[in-house]
Amino acid sequence: QQQVRQSPQSLTVWEGETAILNCSYENSAFDYFPWYQQFPGEGPALLIAIRSVSDKKEDGGFTIFFNKREKNLSLHIKDSQPGDSATYFCAAGDSNYQLIWGSGTKLIIKP
Amino acid sequence: GGIITQTPKFLIGQEGQKLTLKCQQNFNHDTMYWYRQDSGKGLRLIYYSITENDLQKGDLSEGYDASREKKSSFSLTVTSAQKNEMAVFLCASSVGGADTGQLYFGEGSKLTVL
Repeated sequence: QQQVRQSPQSLTVWEGETAILNCSYENSAFDYFPWYQQFPGEGPALLIAIRSVSDKKEDGGFTIFFNKREKNLSLHIKDSQPGDSATYFCAAGDSNYQLIWGSGTKLIIKP
Repeated sequence: GGIITQTPKFLIGQEGQKLTLKCQQNFNHDTMYWYRQDSGKGLRLIYYSITENDLQKGDLSEGYDASREKKSSFSLTVTSAQKNEMAVFLCASSVGGADTGQLYFGEGSKLTVL
């Protein structure tokens, strides 16, 4: 009931393409879904987040598409650049202090 | 802006040893967290604290102790290091709960147990 699943585990796309990272969850009480970006040797940093009342959130070249009925969401990275190469974590939270984290997608952007 | 400082950055210990990790934040945030990150896995919450002297157990608290003596600092103790254990421990802080806004993370403390 508490799991957050991410796919694929790793993804390689060419520079300029759109990278699509997927996330699904089981607990229908989750209402907050942040995506964090992590570079090697650093802690994760918040990239973009969505609440379950919305079905889409855009920020620069990053877009979250959210499907409450299907309990899944995706992160689209438009016009991807080598500097976007990182590990991306999807997480889910409800009204307490805990976030449940997915296992991450390692994204490689080839120039 | 603020910063989360974790010390030490690298920690090597022996099996059975008690090891302590420290975290300082200058955001003036109320809530602080300790997460464990294993290779290929998501972050797992060990302890969190919503104010000075408060402690709340996460899903992974067994084998760990924590202490929040003041608002700006949060320490984590591995009570008995396990042989061949290797993980990164991440400290984070936030204004309120993790579900209400951004978590700010430190760079991590990498633990190796010989």
